[in-house]
Amino acid sequence: KNQVEQSPQSLIILEGKNCTLQCNYTVSPFSNLRWYKQDTGRGPVSLTIMTFSENTKSNGRYTATLDADTKQSSLHITASQLSDSASYICVVSSLNNNAGNMLTFGGGTRLMVKP
Amino acid sequence: EADIYQTPRYLVIGTGKKITLECSQTMGHDKMYWYQQDPGMELHLIHYSYGVNSTEKGDLSSESTVSRIRTEHFPLTLESARPSHTSQYLCASSEYGRRGEQFFGPGTRLTVL
Repeated sequence: KNQVEQSPQSLIILEGKNCTLQCNYTVSPFSNLRWYKQDTGRGPVSLTIMTFSENTKSNGRYTATLDADTKQSSLHITASQLSDSASYICVVSSLNNNAGNMLTFGGGTRLMVKP
Repeated sequence: EADIYQTPRYLVIGTGKKITLECSQTMGHDKMYWYQQDPGMELHLIHYSYGVNSTEKGDLSSESTVSRIRTEHFPLTLESARPSHTSQYLCASSEYGRRGEQFFGPGTRLTVL
């Protein structure tokens, strides 16, 4: 069964600090991995996407890494801001010949940035 | 911001009522999806569609039904709402392709009393 596990479940940091969120997956066949940011009461918004051959991708203060051998990904947030408070969801896409890309969602990490 | 819309944003209704959650997108995407998400929990796919007249059930069993008569419109219907249907419902759409990003709507938070 395809699974995506994220850690920690929740995290509180002070404004300006860095943090790293983890994602482990068992999804096959692997197509790509995305990190989404979901603000409370809103739909998720894509931050980064990485395919099998990409091991790092940056989007502003967000940097994602991917180790396809160990099936692990991380999302590093630099110089956190209050607006970074949200849930961060790791989503792994697998190829299904009949249905196209199918997604497996992690449970998310709820990040709170305090002043 | 993605051009995908959901109405209503919030809905509180009594048990036994029939409801329809609306979802529309103006991006011309063929693929559309409905997810259910309980507070603080992960998203679960309940329905998806490849295009007009195509509907499929997702990983999570749901008593809801969907229809896809027009490309841009993918409504979800509950014939008789129950308290167990209380949840957030998120609609998404994507293009075909290996890297097709799913764009999500703002969600409908449903409470059934």
